[in-house]
Amino acid sequence: RKEVEQDPGPFNVPEGATVAFNCTYSNSASQSFFWYRQDCRKEPKLLMSVYSSGNEDGRFTAQLNRASQYISLLIRDSKLSDSATYLCVVSSRNTGNQFYFGTGTSLTVIP
Amino acid sequence: EAGVAQSPRYKIIEKRQSVAFWCNPISGHATLYWYQQILGQGPKLLIQFQNNGVVDDSQLPKDRFSAERLKGVDSTLKIQPAKLEDSAVYLCASSLEGGLRQFFGPGTRLTVL
Repeated sequence: RKEVEQDPGPFNVPEGATVAFNCTYSNSASQSFFWYRQDCRKEPKLLMSVYSSGNEDGRFTAQLNRASQYISLLIRDSKLSDSATYLCVVSSRNTGNQFYFGTGTSLTVIP
Repeated sequence: EAGVAQSPRYKIIEKRQSVAFWCNPISGHATLYWYQQILGQGPKLLIQFQNNGVVDDSQLPKDRFSAERLKGVDSTLKIQPAKLEDSAVYLCASSLEGGLRQFFGPGTRLTVL
């Protein structure tokens, strides 16, 4: 079983739409959770960390459900510039804080 | 602040040839990572260094891949001999010691023909 699973998409949404991505992880001892953004032919960049109580950064909201081992990212009022691949990342101290990446979810925002 | 530097940015070789990639992490970052990202997949960790020591190389194909970080700063990753399935982007990342946030370099795109 993969450490992290994501729906690869693609998601094609109109500008202004709300879109949600989900991710599940297999290691119940995982302690740190992130969403990274990767533009085409570029390196991954941290979008936001995911905290147990959920957290928001502008139009982006991240949620964590430890019981279901599930992470989500919600993007409100989508912009053309949000078009990218969104990578779910999980790490745990019992694996030396190694990052496990999902395959990524592709988002295209259409004018 | 300068980011993680990698070179070359692109490399095309034939199978069975050798290739080496170089990475210079962010100044002061003790932890350095090499990842392999195959098209359509997320990055997969190959090796993690803490200063000049190896923390985790469990997913490094040691029959053909090697990596070193002799002075605890920059690092090289070598493939010898290359196979077709090694075609991928090789990403270097660094973090502060004990830090959770990893900063990625632009990657080296390797094509093996």
